[in-house]
Amino acid sequence: EPEVTQTPSHQVTQMGQEVILRCVPISNHLYFYWYRQILGQKVEFLVSFYNNEISEKSEIFDDQFSVERPDGSNFTLKIRSTKLEDSAMYFCASSDGVWGGGNEKLFFGSGTQLSVL
Amino acid sequence: RKEVEQDPGPFNVPEGATVAFNCTYSNSASQSFFWYRQDCRKEPKLLMSVYSSGNEDGRFTAQLNRASQYISLLIRDSKLSDSATYLCVVTNNNAGNMLTFGGGTRLMVKP
Repeated sequence: EPEVTQTPSHQVTQMGQEVILRCVPISNHLYFYWYRQILGQKVEFLVSFYNNEISEKSEIFDDQFSVERPDGSNFTLKIRSTKLEDSAMYFCASSDGVWGGGNEKLFFGSGTQLSVL
Repeated sequence: RKEVEQDPGPFNVPEGATVAFNCTYSNSASQSFFWYRQDCRKEPKLLMSVYSSGNEDGRFTAQLNRASQYISLLIRDSKLSDSATYLCVVTNNNAGNMLTFGGGTRLMVKP
């Protein structure tokens, strides 16, 4: 089965530093997403991206966050100035955008565990 | 009120048991419904979509009651490998395919 690939698997950073989390979505997918999961809490939506622009974003996705698709394969999440509360597992996901009828499927990457010290 | 609410468990059951999980959602505009499975510190993986008519996939049966805004998952003949957290997920297809996750129900199947 095709995979969404995320790097690095673990990222440790100091508070106030910038981090970039990287993702390679499935090649023929058109919709890309970032979700996060703080330890012991639920998975939360951050942002969706389609046609080189953000289509939806949550309240969590404030000015400290940005996303980019710098080339035809990578999809990145940048946190400009990390805070302690940004520590979480960040999941990238992609889909082919065919939604409705119950055939929808989001493919998740294995995540990047971000630890802000 | 939480958007998607689940009993966190854990549900501790012996192998071979039948176990049922429930979920309620608050947004009546929700259009698509799913059960995902998440193993410890791993990514969520789609278990099955949930249809209004109810659907079955092997040992797993899912039901949706739109009037009560209630979703269920039944697992028959539990296996050790079924031990995981089961996430109830809904989406409003008008909201850019954004998934809203419940907090999950933890299942532990014992020998």
